Amino acid sequence: DGGITQSPKYLFRKEGQNVTLSCEQNLNHDAMYWYRQDPGQGLRLIYYSQIVNDFQKGDIAEGYSVSREKKESFPLTVTSAQKNPTAFYLCASSPGTFSGANVLTFGAGSRLTVL
Amino acid sequence: AQKITQTQPGMFVQEKEAVTLDCTYDTSDPSYGLFWYKQPSSGEMIFLIYQGSYDQQNATEGRYSLNFQKARKSANLVISASQLGDSAMYFCAMSPVTSGNTPLVFGKGTRLSVIA
Repeated sequence: DGGITQSPKYLFRKEGQNVTLSCEQNLNHDAMYWYRQDPGQGLRLIYYSQIVNDFQKGDIAEGYSVSREKKESFPLTVTSAQKNPTAFYLCASSPGTFSGANVLTFGAGSRLTVL
Repeated sequence: AQKITQTQPGMFVQEKEAVTLDCTYDTSDPSYGLFWYKQPSSGEMIFLIYQGSYDQQNATEGRYSLNFQKARKSANLVISASQLGDSAMYFCAMSPVTSGNTPLVFGKGTRLSVIA
């Protein structure tokens, strides 16, 4: 079955440590996205990539980094510069469209807790 | 800039009744799309329904329909015949219609609780 796999599902980190969240898709989608979800805040865009080897900052990119070396993979690194990294992180992808219905398919999410 | 407003933090509905979840939006884009997603307690976001700004008819998908009022900039989700499994967070989102893969902007969500 096609879909998006995020790992790990739960992650604990000490302050000052970098951590990388994995996101892999087998949908052959061109675009991939990372969103952060905090209670009562909805989803906020961190980074997105429309094509391999290219990505753009979202609204809350500070303290995060990404890479897009393969079409299938879009890992997110939460660096020690991110002041409040405890959150639920959602990865998504979309096939690319010229009709306007840019429907995103989401992974199951990764919950990061900083101790 | 685009903005989505969902003014109902939480809603309750009796099983088998219909419920409307409110969504208003603001955008300067001439052409845009509106989306609704469901997020169960498991956390995964599930796409429910899409409405294009130039679509003449309101979108429907099974028990879901979108009450689109362009002049009022509202895109309310109507769920008919509510089921216990409909209990979840619901998010309204939008993006401009372009030739690229434009990220979605999300509202803060509404938590729906279906009561037996």
